[in-house]
Amino acid sequence: AQSVAQPEDQVNVAEGNPLTVKCTYSVSGNPYLFWYVQYPNRGLQFLLKYITGDNLVKGSYGFEAEFNKSQTSFHLKKPSALVSDSALYFCAVRASSLNQAGTALIFGKGTTLSVSS
Amino acid sequence: DTEVTQTPKHLVMGMTNKKSLKCEQHMGHRAMYWYKQKAKKPPELMFVYSYEKLSINESVPSRFSPECPNSSLLNLHLHALQPEDSALYLCASSQDHDSSYNEQFFGPGTRLTVL
Repeated sequence: AQSVAQPEDQVNVAEGNPLTVKCTYSVSGNPYLFWYVQYPNRGLQFLLKYITGDNLVKGSYGFEAEFNKSQTSFHLKKPSALVSDSALYFCAVRASSLNQAGTALIFGKGTTLSVSS
Repeated sequence: DTEVTQTPKHLVMGMTNKKSLKCEQHMGHRAMYWYKQKAKKPPELMFVYSYEKLSINESVPSRFSPECPNSSLLNLHLHALQPEDSALYLCASSQDHDSSYNEQFFGPGTRLTVL
């Protein structure tokens, strides 16, 4: 069975400091991993994804994520946080194996990022 | 056009009303999704349409009835809802459903309140 864990309900950082939002996953076979951001009263916006290849993935708004197969992690990072980055962040996973194709996108519970000025 | 649109933005309905939520995309995507989201929780998948056919129904009560009139449109018909059905209803689309690497594009949602 697929699952995603986001161990922190909330992450607080000061503006200008680096930020990390953690995500670990469990899936049979190779994973496809996604990060989405949700601002208040809005839908989810796609930030980035890992399919294959380079373990460091760069995405929208200066965010990046590092895929670590041995630690089954896909942490979201940004070198310098902005107040406008404050939002709810979701990590998600789907299995890439053929017999699980067509299965649902599994979301983590979400992490609220709060960036203070 | 890389946008998924949803109407209405807000909907208040009584438990005996019948209403519909609408979703539209013009990205040529062949998979469309309905999700239900409670405050500060992850989206919960309700239905998946793949090539205009219902592909997944996540054991959703029959008071929710999806419809996909064509590849660009997705409706969710509501009847005899309960107050606990109050939530943000999100529509999403992706290039197709079977290719697991395709990201989903989400609409802004319809905020539903059932009185």
